[in-house]
Amino acid sequence: DTGVSQDPRHKITKRGQNVTFRCDPISEHNRLYWYRQTLGQGPEFLTYFQNEAQLEKSRLLSDRFSAERPKGSFSTLEIQRTEQGDSAMYLCASSLDLIGTEAFFGQGTRLTVV
Amino acid sequence: AQRVTQPEKLLSVFKGAPVELKCNYSYSGSPELFWYVQYSRQRLQLLLRHISRESIKGFTADLNKGETSFHLKKPFAQEEDSAMYYCALTKDSSYKLIFGSGTRLLVRP
Repeated sequence: DTGVSQDPRHKITKRGQNVTFRCDPISEHNRLYWYRQTLGQGPEFLTYFQNEAQLEKSRLLSDRFSAERPKGSFSTLEIQRTEQGDSAMYLCASSLDLIGTEAFFGQGTRLTVV
Repeated sequence: AQRVTQPEKLLSVFKGAPVELKCNYSYSGSPELFWYVQYSRQRLQLLLRHISRESIKGFTADLNKGETSFHLKKPFAQEEDSAMYYCALTKDSSYKLIFGSGTRLLVRP
């Protein structure tokens, strides 16, 4: 499968624990995005990278969230001291840097904080 | 603030009936509009974009700047069209997507 891949697919964690998710984009895509989706809502933008540079972060991304994209390849999203409100589907997408370009999404990581 | 509104949570039609999924947006500039679809147990994928003015799987969408709408239409629905449909826009060089809350289309036999 040459699409966007995310790992793990599911994560159950206790409140207060740290979690880290990984996203492997399509190899030639220089843009990488993280979104969060809660039940009954569309995906909400969290942050994006152009190559290894993190260019924008949403106000949704509290200080407990950090994302990296070392060497402009895969990306990680870490949530520290998880809270029940962090329970959601975390989606990664990648694209080229072109107007009107298609974003290709991964299957997501479903996080449940108990 | 930029916003995408999909007023219908669920749209249920019979096979062969016409379908229109509504999408309205609020943005003062010239956004790029998209429809993304998520079939059961599959990832979110692009259905069509206004910039290419294409018809995909029989679906079309026309950008109406006066009404700030980008409704998705299909003249004859098929059972395999049953899915979640999300309208989205991008507004600047970030190309980040701002999504609506989605409409579930259920096509009954």
